[in-house]
Amino acid sequence: EVQLVESGGGLVQPGRSLKLSCVASGFTFNNYWMTWIRQAPGKGLEWVASITNTGGSTYYPDSVKGRFTISRDNAKSTLYLQMNSLRSEDTATYYCTRDQITTFDYWGQGVMVTVSS
Amino acid sequence: DVQMTQSPSNLAASPGESVSINCKASKSISKYLAWYQQKPGKANKLLIYSGSTLQSGTPSRFSGSGSGTDFTLTIRNLEPEDFGLYYCQQHNEYPPTFGAGTKLELK
Repeated sequence: EVQLVESGGGLVQPGRSLKLSCVASGFTFNNYWMTWIRQAPGKGLEWVASITNTGGSTYYPDSVKGRFTISRDNAKSTLYLQMNSLRSEDTATYYCTRDQITTFDYWGQGVMVTVSS
Repeated sequence: DVQMTQSPSNLAASPGESVSINCKASKSISKYLAWYQQKPGKANKLLIYSGSTLQSGTPSRFSGSGSGTDFTLTIRNLEPEDFGLYYCQQHNEYPPTFGAGTKLELK
């Protein structure tokens, strides 16, 4: 059974940093691209970052480019999202997803990030 | 970026009925449209991709149609577990973009 379990969320002040983790199980992690998607409270879904199966390439929207870094450790079947210079508009639930050519066939339960002073 | 417009925003129906949710892309995305279901306390579920291909495990009462800019998700013979939020997403080009969602509620 595919499982994606996120951790690392919480309350953080504007301008500070936070690192999310996602532990994957039930599939061969290093065969798949992975993607983070977020959802602000009461809002829709927004793509945040993607990484190739080897970690050799990463992709971001302009809204987080230069502030967020996606990475992975294939030996640990773990995906990461390093978030720097956080803003109030980054407040959201962050989902770890398995990426099948930009369709997202498995999702974690999500982890909440609140950016507030 | 490709803008995705979903309609209606809200939809009320009863078990056993059929409903349709529409999704319109701001430019042609060929057949590359996915549908997701979101329910409280559960992981989001991919239902359909490439416009009409059912993801493994998706019940056959779900169907998708359309190409180019206009797409439809149809759910026939609604079951109680079908009520929730539905999102469309284009997977034709980067960045992947989502519709704003349709809330399917029990009438």
